[in-house]
Amino acid sequence: DSGVTQTPKHLITATGQRVTLRCSPRSGDLSVYWYQQSLDQGLQFLIQYYNGEERAKGNILERFSAQQFPDLHSELNLSSLELGDSALYFCASSVLGETGELFFGEGSRLTVL
Amino acid sequence: QKEVEQDPGPLSVPEGAIVSLNCTYSNSAFQYFMWYRQYSRKGPELLMYTYSSGNKEDGRFTAQVDKSSKYISLFIRDSQPSDSATYLCAMSAGNYGGSQGNLIFGKGTKLSVKP
Repeated sequence: DSGVTQTPKHLITATGQRVTLRCSPRSGDLSVYWYQQSLDQGLQFLIQYYNGEERAKGNILERFSAQQFPDLHSELNLSSLELGDSALYFCASSVLGETGELFFGEGSRLTVL
Repeated sequence: QKEVEQDPGPLSVPEGAIVSLNCTYSNSAFQYFMWYRQYSRKGPELLMYTYSSGNKEDGRFTAQVDKSSKYISLFIRDSQPSDSATYLCAMSAGNYGGSQGNLIFGKGTKLSVKP
């Protein structure tokens, strides 16, 4: 158990809809990261937050947004969903530092029909 | 050319075999190298971490980094069925206070160890 909690574990929705994925980082970790994992693209970095502020942005679509709240939990919002958004979405957390070691949650599996 | 290349496999070996997993990369700024193990329907978990070039050993696992060749390896000795998983290499340029969390992952190699 990494200590990172993600909900929901599974989500099935229709194209055009909007969903919110939630992540609680490990106790004491200030940094939260979101990754998307699909079969063809592998694990892709989406966005990083540190103590409530956006720190780095990766391949995140404009239809997607995220935020980190004062209690350090984070939410990833996916809107105008397309079939191609079906993937596993992972949250990871770390103590901000030099090593880059991340602790991953078990992921939220999104299926868009 | 992708920043990180990893043979997706699948790789099937008998129990007790020595397994060699590899990644190549193109960004010479990378200096932190990691191997993650991902079991089916689980999140990746950190297996090995290496800074810059050199070797690191942890039990049956050995990680090697050759920065001159931009090549990293993970060796698993006396492989066990419980080692069956997808192994992902990951690397970062490292930048304290910056985007050090922007790990670049390989696509992963699926390993199956047969009893």
